[in-house]
Amino acid sequence: EAQVTQNPRYLITVTGKKLTVTCSQNMNHEYMSWYRQDPGLGLRQIYYSMNVEVTDKGDVPEGYKVSRKEKRNFPLILESPSPNQTSLYFCASSVGRGHGYTFGSGTRLTVV
Amino acid sequence: AQKVTQAQTEISVVEKEDVTLDCVYETRDTTYYLFWYKQPPSGELVFLIRRNSFDEQNEISGRYSWNFQKSTSSFNFTITASQVVDSAVYFCALSALGDGNNRKLIWGLGTSLAVNP
Repeated sequence: EAQVTQNPRYLITVTGKKLTVTCSQNMNHEYMSWYRQDPGLGLRQIYYSMNVEVTDKGDVPEGYKVSRKEKRNFPLILESPSPNQTSLYFCASSVGRGHGYTFGSGTRLTVV
Repeated sequence: AQKVTQAQTEISVVEKEDVTLDCVYETRDTTYYLFWYKQPPSGELVFLIRRNSFDEQNEISGRYSWNFQKSTSSFNFTITASQVVDSAVYFCALSALGDGNNRKLIWGLGTSLAVNP
């Protein structure tokens, strides 16, 4: 089954403790992206990647890192999480602009 | 600038009523794509439809239909004979070539639909 898999689904952590949210797709998509969803602000892009070793900032990249060492994986790294990074995170992949996106199930992160 | 506006924040209907969710977009690009996604209470994003800027045909899929009008920059979504299972937040989104290689989606803030029995 074609899918984007995110883990974990839920995470509660403390301020400053490094964490990684994993994202993996099995569709051989070149393009992958991370979004965060916040009430009243909607979904905003954090980072994106056009292909292996090619990543770039989206609209809200501060406090996040990504890597794309393999085509299928695009982890989101929070080196020192803060409470303002409490949010619902989505990973997405795409084969082409007109084909839309396949989203992961989301990761609900709470930073206390 | 690209923008998507969903003016209706919340809609509440009684089961079997028809309901239309509005979406108005802004872009200077002549080639762009529009999408609707559904987000049920469980939180995942469910793809409903995509439409490119060169295809203004309306589409019907079961109880769902979409009306794309370039003249008014609108891409409205109608649910006929609504059901309780339709209760969700619905998002309209835009992807335009003006973003270059970044195929990001510009999202509306969503319309929360409550269908009551």
